This record gives sequence, structure tokens and C-alpha cells, in this order.
Amino acid sequence: AQSVAQPEDQVNVAEGNPLTVKCTYSVSGNPYLFWYVQYPNRGLQFLLKYITGDNLVKGSYGFEAEFNKSQTSFHLKKPSALVSDSALYFCAVSPTGFQKLVFGTGTRLLVSP
Amino acid sequence: GAVVSQHPSWVICKSGTSVKIECRSLDFQATTMFWYRQFPKQSLMLMATSNEGSKATYEQGVEKDKFLINHASLTLSTLTVTSAHPEDSSFYICSARATTRSSYNEQFFGPGTRLTVL
Repeated sequence: AQSVAQPEDQVNVAEGNPLTVKCTYSVSGNPYLFWYVQYPNRGLQFLLKYITGDNLVKGSYGFEAEFNKSQTSFHLKKPSALVSDSALYFCAVSPTGFQKLVFGTGTRLLVSP
Repeated sequence: GAVVSQHPSWVICKSGTSVKIECRSLDFQATTMFWYRQFPKQSLMLMATSNEGSKATYEQGVEKDKFLINHASLTLSTLTVTSAHPEDSSFYICSARATTRSSYNEQFFGPGTRLTVL
């Protein structure tokens, strides 16, 4: 069965510092991996995805994520955090050729001024 | 980019009534749409997969007679919560799966509908 783990309920970082939001996955085959961001009372906004190719994926708003097959991880990163990055972040996996997205439990990012 | 809308964005209803939520893909066709439910401070839980022209596929534990899904066209899926009760209060989010070459298998999410049952 497919699963996604986001081990941190919340990540706190000061504005201007780098941030990392962790995600590990378990899936058979080659996964499609996604990061989404959710602001209060809003739907999910797509940040980036890994399908194939370069392990380092660049996405929206300066975010990037690195696919690490050996560690089955897909951590989200940003070199310099902004207060406006404060939101709820979800990692998701979709097994190749499979329609469903399986979401992690989400990580709340709080960027302090 | 692909846009998905939901209507209404929020709704308050009395216990026992039915509520219909619409999910539309505005600039692409979606043979498959998904309905999720999100409880406060929790992740999205897939309720059902809606396929155009056929019956929806429900996840285990989701009552198909309570959550009626209709996907009558390539741009519209509806979720009807029948005989709503307070425990049905939640944030309902739909997504539409794109099948264009550049967005294959990617889901685009609607803004969500906040349902409050009194």
C-alpha cells in the first residue's frame, strides 16, 4: 500500500533562513511525487512535482524539492523563507499509472519575522 | 494553468436537508474528478473517484447513498450530501485530473467548500 509520512507537525523558521519540510514515501514502482500548499480555508495550490529526470525539482515561489530514491524521501526546501510562506504543506504520492493521490498528514510552516 | 472551481464556497444548512456542491474544470476536460474531505487540522481524505459517464468509486467507509456523486459531463462533477447531519460538517475539496500531454496524471484542486450543518 502507498503511504506518505510527514514526520513534523510544525516547522518554525525565522524569515530569511533556509527551510526544510520533510517527506518520506512508501510505494511500489516509480512514484509521482507532489508538494502542495494550503492557506486557511483555501484549496490546495500546486508547488512542484517529480515525475522523472533530475532529482532536484524547482517549483513555484522559490521552492524546490530533492527526490532521493535510496532514502525514499522528497523533502521540500527553500533557501530563504518569507513570512508569507507560513501555511500548511502537504506531500503526496501517486504511483505510476495510478490515479489516486495519497497525502501526508501535512506540516504547518510558521515563518517568524 | 488549469483552473477548477467549486460552488458554493461555503454553505450552512439545517440537519436533515441535502446540499449539492459543484466542481467544474474551467479550461480543460476532466474525465476523472476526485472528492476529498478535510477535517480541521487534518489531511485530505479521498472520498470517491468520479468518472464521467459512469458510477463513482467510493473509498472504504464512505457511504455512497449519503454522498451522491454525479459526473455528467467532462467539466462538471457534483457531490450531494443527503440528509446532512452535524457530523458531516467539513471542508470538501474536489480535484480534476488532467490528461493533456503536459499535465498527465496531475490533479488540479478546487478552492474547497465549507459545509456547516446546524
